[in-house]
Amino acid sequence: GENVEQHPSTLSVQEGDSAVIKCTYSDSASNYFPWYKQELGKRPQLIIDIRSNVGEKKDQRIAVTLNKTAKHFSLHITETQPEDSAVYFCAASIGGSQGNLIFGKGTKLSVKP
Amino acid sequence: DAGVTQSPTHLIKTRGQQVTLRCSPKSGHDTVSWYQQALGQGPQFIFQYYEEEERQRGNFPDRFSGHQFPNYSSELNVNALLLGDSALYLCASSPGTPNTGELFFGEGSRLTVL
Repeated sequence: GENVEQHPSTLSVQEGDSAVIKCTYSDSASNYFPWYKQELGKRPQLIIDIRSNVGEKKDQRIAVTLNKTAKHFSLHITETQPEDSAVYFCAASIGGSQGNLIFGKGTKLSVKP
Repeated sequence: DAGVTQSPTHLIKTRGQQVTLRCSPKSGHDTVSWYQQALGQGPQFIFQYYEEEERQRGNFPDRFSGHQFPNYSSELNVNALLLGDSALYLCASSPGTPNTGELFFGEGSRLTVL
């Protein structure tokens, strides 16, 4: 079945450094790739997303890249801050279906002051 | 503007019992999806409701069922509870039109099965 693999599972960086999280997906029909941030005991919150007709998208310190040929996409956070500490999930749409997502297992990011 | 609201926030059940979880979507949204998030894992898609019908379903047994009401709110029912059903159950809503695919999650209902 469809699958999304996410690496690394944990990531520790110093404040001000960059963080990169990578995901691969298996379903060629996936066309929507969101990233969610989940703080402890809180709901997942969308931080950025990208669609299959775009290769890169940036929003302030956060950027996402997509390589459809290789079926992988990455999240880049620059100038990390302690408040960036959380679990980050990548996801891919199930086929072309909107709103139905397969999630990766998450990356626990720790930013040390 | 209220976001996605879920109830109850926490509940404890014993094996074999049944549970009903409730969700009110974000204002203006007519599509509701349910996800199960086990501890330390990513959310897993259970099913999606649109126009009061189940539109798509993930790999979950028939013990998991749902309903959507005319006001777009939704319920998730789980019968014959197992220990492995212990998880955070997340409801997410999205607009049907235009359907951007973006999901808005509620805070979840944490179910513990003893």
